[in-house]
Amino acid sequence: SQTIHQWPATLVQPVGSPLSLECTVEGTSNPNLYWYRQAAGRGLQLLFYSVGIGQISSEVPQNLSASRPQDRQFILSSKKLLLSDSGFYLCAWRGDRASPLHFGNGTRLTVT
Amino acid sequence: DQQVKQNSPSLSVQEGRISILNCDYTNSMFDYFLWYKKYPAEGPTFLISISSIKDKNEDGRFTVFLNKSAKHLSLHIVPSQPGDSAVYFCAASNLSGGSNYKLTFGKGTLLTVNP
Repeated sequence: SQTIHQWPATLVQPVGSPLSLECTVEGTSNPNLYWYRQAAGRGLQLLFYSVGIGQISSEVPQNLSASRPQDRQFILSSKKLLLSDSGFYLCAWRGDRASPLHFGNGTRLTVT
Repeated sequence: DQQVKQNSPSLSVQEGRISILNCDYTNSMFDYFLWYKKYPAEGPTFLISISSIKDKNEDGRFTVFLNKSAKHLSLHIVPSQPGDSAVYFCAASNLSGGSNYKLTFGKGTLLTVNP
C-alpha cells in the first residue's frame, strides 16, 4: 500500500532563517505531488504541485520554493522565512486521474 | 475570490442524530467534489467524493448530495458518533481540465458530536 511521510512534525524557526521540509511517498511511482498550507482560520491553500521530476508549478507567488529531485520526493524551501510563513504545511500525492489526494500528517511551522 | 465556500464555521449535534454539512461553489467548471475529515495536528483524510454526473453518492453512514443547478453540495452523516467530531473540508476540482489536477478547498466546518 502507498504511504506518505512528511517531516518534521513541528518546527520553530526565527525570522530570516532558511527552511527545508521534506516529503516522500512509498508504494507508487510517478505520483502527482502537492504542497498545501493551512494558515490559522483559513482553508487549505495550494502552494505548489509537480507532475514529474524537476517539474514544478507555483500557484501563489511568495517567499517559498519547491523542488522534486526524485520521483517520490518533494521538498519545500525558503531562503529567508517571514512571520507570515507560519502555518500548517501539508504534502499530498495523487495517482491516476479522478483519484483523491492523500495527505501526509503535516508540519506545524512557527516563525518567531 | 473564494470559489468553494463553507459558510458554517461550526456545527454541533447530538450523538445518533443527523449531521448535515453544507458547501457552495461558484466555478461552473468544477466537475468533481470531495469531502475530507481532519483531526487536529493531522493531515486531512479522504471521506467521500462525487462526480458531477451523479447527484448522490453513499458510503456507509456518509452520503454526499450534489445540486448542480444550485452549485451546492452537502454531506450527511447518519447516525452521528462522537468520533465524527473533526473539521470537515469540502473540495472541488475540474477533472476534465487536464492532468494538472488541483483541489480547491473550503475553509472547513468544525463538527462537534455530543454524547
